Amino acid sequence: NAGVMQNPRHLVRRRGQEARLRCSPMKGHSHVYWYRQLPEEGLKFMVYLQKENIIDESGMPKERFSAEFPKEGPSILRIQQVVRGDSAAYFCASSPGQGTGGYTFGSGTRLTVV
Amino acid sequence: GENVEQHPSTLSVQEGDSAVIKCTYSDSASNYFPWYKQELGKRPQLIIDIRSNVGEKKDQRIAVTLNKTAKHFSLHITETQPEDSAVYFCAASRGFEAAGNKLTFGGGTRVLVKP
Repeated sequence: NAGVMQNPRHLVRRRGQEARLRCSPMKGHSHVYWYRQLPEEGLKFMVYLQKENIIDESGMPKERFSAEFPKEGPSILRIQQVVRGDSAAYFCASSPGQGTGGYTFGSGTRLTVV
Repeated sequence: GENVEQHPSTLSVQEGDSAVIKCTYSDSASNYFPWYKQELGKRPQLIIDIRSNVGEKKDQRIAVTLNKTAKHFSLHITETQPEDSAVYFCAASRGFEAAGNKLTFGGGTRVLVKP
């Protein structure tokens, strides 16, 4: 089991460009979570998805950010018109669902906006 | 919503000594409390967790205690080693059934173990 796979590991974007972050959950996992970690800070919840459904997006900024988890393929976190404040590490985690405890994080995508 | 406070923000200990990190939470409905260790530039890794029906849990040199009445929980690392140096995060959740296991994290504690 390859674990939670995120790509790219590092992403550099100029202000105003779009950033697409990908997350492939562990095999058999149908629940995906996205967290953002600003430098020297803790992780902040952004969004929780199941296949084809957004369950909780209470931590997602209302503008420029969107997430999806299609029936086939990885989950995508999309940031439009990036700004310097979007620079952070974005971690994805997956879980098999009900009855589970802690989940496993991917290695993260470090987004730098220049 | 849930708020998790973590103290201290930095902790320096001599190798072989114990390290204690404390967290408080605000949501009395939280019932699951994991601890994560994050080394520089790497992913957070789950090291131990505790549920609200248990007061204490131990795994080798690591132990976690929970006081539901006071709404605080602590991580204890005994006989610290240089490889314990990392940032440690506590977190709280209402559990999967109530909240899809959404975690609220503390601000982190940077632990430095001096040889």
